[in-house]
Amino acid sequence: EDKVVQSPLSLVVHEGDTVTLNCSYEVTNFRSLLWYKQEKKAPTFLFMLTSSGIEKKSGRLSSILDKKELFSILNITATQTGDSAVYLCAVGTNYGGSQGNLIFGKGTKLSVKP
Amino acid sequence: DAGVTQSPTHLIKTRGQHVTLRCSPISGHKSVSWYQQVLGQGPQFIFQYYEKEERGRGNFPDRFSARQFPNYSSELNVNALLLGDSALYLCASSLEQGLGYTFGSGTRLTVV
Repeated sequence: EDKVVQSPLSLVVHEGDTVTLNCSYEVTNFRSLLWYKQEKKAPTFLFMLTSSGIEKKSGRLSSILDKKELFSILNITATQTGDSAVYLCAVGTNYGGSQGNLIFGKGTKLSVKP
Repeated sequence: DAGVTQSPTHLIKTRGQHVTLRCSPISGHKSVSWYQQVLGQGPQFIFQYYEKEERGRGNFPDRFSARQFPNYSSELNVNALLLGDSALYLCASSLEQGLGYTFGSGTRLTVV
């Protein structure tokens, strides 16, 4: 059975800390790995990774994929209270007969204290 | 540009009732997918439609159905509602299958 596992499930840090969120996966037909930030309702897109070893960066956020070991990490440096959210990892597969639908992990709830 | 819009934003229904949720994709996006997110869990895939045809179905009972219209908007229908159907229902659109997805803000369904 395809699965995506995120760790930790929750994390409390102070402003300025650096955090690393983990995502491991076991899927039959891997197409891509995506990270989303979910604050209230709509998950907002952060990164899509398809190739191993190539770091993607956006401001204080960065992510990398290891297709051999089947995991990805999301790093956030110099955290701010606005980074408080649930971070979702999803793998794009051919699940359910479609092409490129997403299997999500349970998410990591990040709380950044002032 | 408008993002993915969903309606209604909140809904309260009684067990056994029927519900219809609506989604308008980003202009030009031909693929619409539906996800169910129960509190404390990640979203779970329900359906994908592309060019008005069903292209994928997740592990949900036949009480769940959907369709896509010529303008690429979509409806999700749920019959014979159960308490366990209470969740946030998310719609995501993409230009093509398998490319980047943009999510709407969802419909919060509460079944009492």
